[in-house]
Amino acid sequence: EADIYQTPRYLVIGTGKKITLECSQTMGHDKMYWYQQDPGMELHLIHYSYGVNSTEKGDLSSESTVSRIRTEHFPLTLESARPSHTSQYLCASSGHYNSPLHFGNGTRLTVT
Amino acid sequence: RKEVEQDPGPFNVPEGATVAFNCTYSNSASQSFFWYRQDCRKEPKLLMSVYSSGNEDGRFTAQLNRASQYISLLIRDSKLSDSATYLCVVKVVSSASKIIFGSGTRLSIRP
Repeated sequence: EADIYQTPRYLVIGTGKKITLECSQTMGHDKMYWYQQDPGMELHLIHYSYGVNSTEKGDLSSESTVSRIRTEHFPLTLESARPSHTSQYLCASSGHYNSPLHFGNGTRLTVT
Repeated sequence: RKEVEQDPGPFNVPEGATVAFNCTYSNSASQSFFWYRQDCRKEPKLLMSVYSSGNEDGRFTAQLNRASQYISLLIRDSKLSDSATYLCVVKVVSSASKIIFGSGTRLSIRP
């Protein structure tokens, strides 16, 4: 089993609040990713990182930001949550280029 | 045209049947290939990597055809627990961010 963890598992929050979704991995992987997925829909890449102090935006425009101060930690922040941010957020990591992604169990976010 | 295309499904087959999924990719620089399984409202989980020589894991067999740029997944003696969405994933060499997910194929096994 992959060692990648996301917290919280579920979050219900009001509009305008600032939130941070946590993602940590203990595998020493350089590459980490954040995906957004609505029920029954495709995964969309919103942020990725090649390593410490490296972050890039993904294919899907997102109002969130990320940071990578430590290899094992890749938090995602929404400065002001809106109902349109309601979705599942999945964090993943991978080792060398040919290795697969390992996913965390996701954060299901509901913004009321 | 999407870079990775899968049979959309849904596939509805009886328990014990053999079912096959195909996935085509368009980027010839694709280097690594995987099948993932995703249950409803869960995270994708790696089912198996796909190698040029083909590989088997129990009831599951994966094949890669680089010339025709497709990969396949065969499930034999299907179980009720095989019901899920199966995602084809392609990694393109030279860019860590170029990981392309297919839209998934839904499989439902009926008793």
